[in-house]
Amino acid sequence: GAVVSQHPSRVICKSGTSVKIECRSLDFQATTMFWYRQFPKQSLMLMATSNEGSKATYEQGVEKDKFLINHASLTLSTLTVTSAHPEDSSFYICSAEPGTGGETQYFGPGTRLLVL
Amino acid sequence: GQNIDQPTEMTATEGAIVQINCTYQTSGFNGLFWYQQHAGEAPTFLSYNVLDGLEEKGRFSSFLSRSKGYSYLLLKELQMKDSASYLCAVRDDGAGSYQLTFGKGTKLSVIP
Repeated sequence: GAVVSQHPSRVICKSGTSVKIECRSLDFQATTMFWYRQFPKQSLMLMATSNEGSKATYEQGVEKDKFLINHASLTLSTLTVTSAHPEDSSFYICSAEPGTGGETQYFGPGTRLLVL
Repeated sequence: GQNIDQPTEMTATEGAIVQINCTYQTSGFNGLFWYQQHAGEAPTFLSYNVLDGLEEKGRFSSFLSRSKGYSYLLLKELQMKDSASYLCAVRDDGAGSYQLTFGKGTKLSVIP
């Protein structure tokens, strides 16, 4: 099946710093990538939909100036958490869909962010 | 919008069969997905239904009734490694995107 990677897998940072998370589709081109956040014992919550070459579409309640998304190519999307605070500590997961109308999204392994 | 309900927790015995139900109310529908998620890991795809009926994949089967807004995931011959959360997700076909909305997940514990 299709493979999606995320880097880093785990990051610990101080409050006020920015953290960049990369999401790559390794063996297919992804027109659309999705970014999710998952708090402990909660389900995945969609943060934004990222389309190559255009601005990301953010879900209601997600600050676009705090969570910067760049979908620079058909295989790479990045999420930057700017001025991270302890409440941003969470499990961030990206997914990618081959083309449009694909059968499923393929998920990356996730990035666990801890802000001290 | 989407509203997806599934039981919070279930317990079943190794070797048995378990059925995890999911009901949904949606403004648009373009498929229902089941994912397995082990603690601390990302979800992995299990099954996809877009038409009514049963889809079988080895020990896992998934059923969909669009008129009832209902799906279930059936796990047979349970193994200890099946202990995980099972997420029901509905794909919306609105606005030209293929977004998934996830239920809160059902935590399945398989006991000896």
